[in-house]
Amino acid sequence: QQQVKQSPQSLIVQKGGISIINCAYENTAFDYFPWYQQFPGKGPALLIAIRPDVSEKKEGRFTISFNKSAKQFSLHIMDSQPGDSATYFCAVIYAGNNRKLIWGLGTSLAVNP
Amino acid sequence: GAGVSQSPRYKVTKRGQDVALRCDPISGHVSLYWYRQALGQGPEFLTYFNYEAQQDKSGLPNDRFSAERPEGSISTLTIQRTEQRDSAMYRCASSASGRALDEQFFGPGTRLTVL
Repeated sequence: QQQVKQSPQSLIVQKGGISIINCAYENTAFDYFPWYQQFPGKGPALLIAIRPDVSEKKEGRFTISFNKSAKQFSLHIMDSQPGDSATYFCAVIYAGNNRKLIWGLGTSLAVNP
Repeated sequence: GAGVSQSPRYKVTKRGQDVALRCDPISGHVSLYWYRQALGQGPEFLTYFNYEAQQDKSGLPNDRFSAERPEGSISTLTIQRTEQRDSAMYRCASSASGRALDEQFFGPGTRLTVL
């Protein structure tokens, strides 16, 4: 059973456009929601993360929107650039006695020049 | 070192052979994590250590998989009697202080292919 459902599986955006990737989770005990960016041949790298006590976090062109009641969070990439082309993973973690990062299946983003 | 390193980067083995995958975390990092990533999937947690102590091994698929970190630095993930279904990218990550929400820094992975 997939504990984190990520969509879409793939996304094509024109340069300058907005890329939006969504994730939904089931377990309300999760208390940390990171997004990772992975380029081909590389390991995932933390992009941005949010705690459930805030509804939005922005870092540069990247914004996480968090809806606790709906158990959903999303990544928005503003002014998308070809260099943003990568696979994006959402993840969740329960920081209590279980530190496992539980990952979505990933979204392959292609930004056309 | 500057980042997490893993070796070998690629390993091809025959079914039934044992393999040992090595992870060298960022120097001084307390926590070390092992994940497995199938093609087109997100990483799947296997196990993690704080210093030399294995804190959680609930993600290891079966008793053919084991991991150790004897001196609290380098870690080895061993798969005995490999099977074709073990083929995947094995990733290691480390984090600085051992706090649950520390950023995990990932290595480049070891691509294991079992023939």
